[in-house]
Amino acid sequence: GEDVEQSLFLSVREGDSSVINCTYTDSSSTYLYWYKQEPGAGLQLLTYIFSNMDMKQDQRLTVLLNKKDKHLSLRIADTQTGDSAIYFCATGFQKLVFGTGTRLLVSP
Amino acid sequence: GAVVSQHPSRVICKSGTSVKIECRSLDFQATTMFWYRQFPKQSLMLMATSNEGSKATYEQGVEKDKFLINHASLTLSTLTVTSAHPEDSSFYICSARDPTTDSPLHFGNGTRLTVT
Repeated sequence: GEDVEQSLFLSVREGDSSVINCTYTDSSSTYLYWYKQEPGAGLQLLTYIFSNMDMKQDQRLTVLLNKKDKHLSLRIADTQTGDSAIYFCATGFQKLVFGTGTRLLVSP
Repeated sequence: GAVVSQHPSRVICKSGTSVKIECRSLDFQATTMFWYRQFPKQSLMLMATSNEGSKATYEQGVEKDKFLINHASLTLSTLTVTSAHPEDSSFYICSARDPTTDSPLHFGNGTRLTVT
């Protein structure tokens, strides 16, 4: 089945950029998503990209998609302490396969 | 604002009792909704696909008699955890998308179930 991998942990200083990486195996994925989960909370959709796109920018967020390498990344510019959370990438159309999640820790 | 509403957000129940979790689509009709489960410090795993007017489709390894799903209307799916045990304690979250648009999948805020 589909496999989605992420690094488990990322630590950055406030004001720096954060880059969270994700690799997947299913090349037929239509949508690729990034979700944010704060402790004890549900999933917040941050952004998503269609599989026919290479890049999408939305304010501080930039998503890059390399279909050849099956690699997805999320860049958060000017990272703030409020960005500390777990970030999940997911692939699929309706039945999503989630990555393992990357815990982002932003220190002052 | 939220497009998928889930209730309750937290529930504590005793072993052997049943718990019902509701998932509603707001402002759109969802013929299909999805139920996920998240164990502590782990990722989300799809449990089942809820189909309006027909039986749910369960993923491999998910007990359909334990996790009853009912999708009686185009805006409401319910997940009932029957005869709950402590190992059923988890975070349950539903999702849906508006099939009439290219909108992405949205998730409810989840329900944290604790079985004592």
